[in-house]
Amino acid sequence: TQLLEQSPQFLSIQEGENLTVYCNSSSVFSSLQWYRQEPGEGPVLLVTVVTGGEVKKLKRLTFQFGDARKDSSLHITAAQPGDTGLYLCAGARAGSYQLTFGKGTKLSVIP
Amino acid sequence: NAGVTQTPKFQVLKTGQSMTLQCAQDMNHEYMSWYRQDPGMGLRLIHYSVGAGITDQGEVPNGYNVSRSTTEDFPLRLLSAAPSQTSVYFCASSLSYRPEETQYFGPGTRLLVL
Repeated sequence: TQLLEQSPQFLSIQEGENLTVYCNSSSVFSSLQWYRQEPGEGPVLLVTVVTGGEVKKLKRLTFQFGDARKDSSLHITAAQPGDTGLYLCAGARAGSYQLTFGKGTKLSVIP
Repeated sequence: NAGVTQTPKFQVLKTGQSMTLQCAQDMNHEYMSWYRQDPGMGLRLIHYSVGAGITDQGEVPNGYNVSRSTTEDFPLRLLSAAPSQTSVYFCASSLSYRPEETQYFGPGTRLLVL
């Protein structure tokens, strides 16, 4: 059973469109992180959310942590080809040293 | 700072061979970890360390050993390689064991076991 379920698994959109990626779990997390990974490279942190209901914005990216700290979403406004990549959510349950990753959402933004 | 470095970048092994994947960081980070990434599986934690001399198992530890004799280095040993260990391996480090800390990943080692 996957602790963190990401959806959709694949997403192909035109430049300028909006999109939302989801990260869901039945478990409560002390924090959730979003990473972006480009081919041939390691993941790079985009944001960390730690408070239930928290919303963080990073330019055209908006991240939300669910009130119950069981889910998170990533919304991209006016997607650009540079947004193409694999988006991964990751979290750890309270008291755990182990970071668990979702399977990722592969995003392709077509010019 | 070089950040997190991994060697080698690519490796081909025959079944039964052993090898060590090297990982080093120059950021004085306490927490280091190893992940494997397989298609459609995301990143899965193999082993982690919260400080020099302290290691523990992650989600998929079988077939792998680690040690942490210094803060900087965290090598991953494959004792007897199997085709199921074909994967991309990433080492990561963070300032502390707190999960909200930023994880800094190395560039990865691509391993093929024949």
